[in-house]
Amino acid sequence: ILNVEQSPQSLHVQEGDSTNFTCSFPSSNFYALHWYRWETAKSPEALFVMTLNGDEKKKGRISATLNTKEGYSYLYIKGSQPEDSATYLCAFIWNAGNMLTFGGGTRLMVKP
Amino acid sequence: DTGVSQDPRHKITKRGQNVTFRCDPISEHNRLYWYRQTLGQGPEFLTYFQNEAQLEKSRLLSDRFSAERPKGSFSTLEIQRTEQGDSAMYLCASIRQGAGREFFGPGTRLTVL
Repeated sequence: ILNVEQSPQSLHVQEGDSTNFTCSFPSSNFYALHWYRWETAKSPEALFVMTLNGDEKKKGRISATLNTKEGYSYLYIKGSQPEDSATYLCAFIWNAGNMLTFGGGTRLMVKP
Repeated sequence: DTGVSQDPRHKITKRGQNVTFRCDPISEHNRLYWYRQTLGQGPEFLTYFQNEAQLEKSRLLSDRFSAERPKGSFSTLEIQRTEQGDSAMYLCASIRQGAGREFFGPGTRLTVL
């Protein structure tokens, strides 16, 4: 059974704060790690697809890093805005598998 | 809109009834996935199709669940004799094999009373 863990489960921050979340996953047979943002009543939206150890990806104020040897990825949001409020999901793809194995998500709420 | 669509968005049913959900993937995507998300959890894989062939089913998919993708385009997920434990968000996703990331629909929220 593949175990993908995310922490924290939820986070309340003030507008302008910077924040980060953690995703941990099995370090063996790694294929890819995906980050998704899921706003209420909308479709989960892919943020990053990460495949190589040491990968760093950036999209606006959001960035992510990947360490496949130790089995973790960090997602950073710089200067949080109320529109960043969403659930952030990471999903792991195992070498031989074809489906995403998701973590439980981190629910972010940004107060104006 | 050329994204993944799901219908209905919400379904309330009584225990013991059958329900069917539909997913329309992005047209050139040959793979289609179904996931289920229950409160406080991340989505869990149920099954996936490559074209019209159902290639893998999770142990979560009991005999009451059946999925089809008859022409390799849209897919349906049917739940027979629904139970309260079936209450969840059912997500569909599609991808062109080798393209890198899955595109998700908005989900169908099922409530079984």
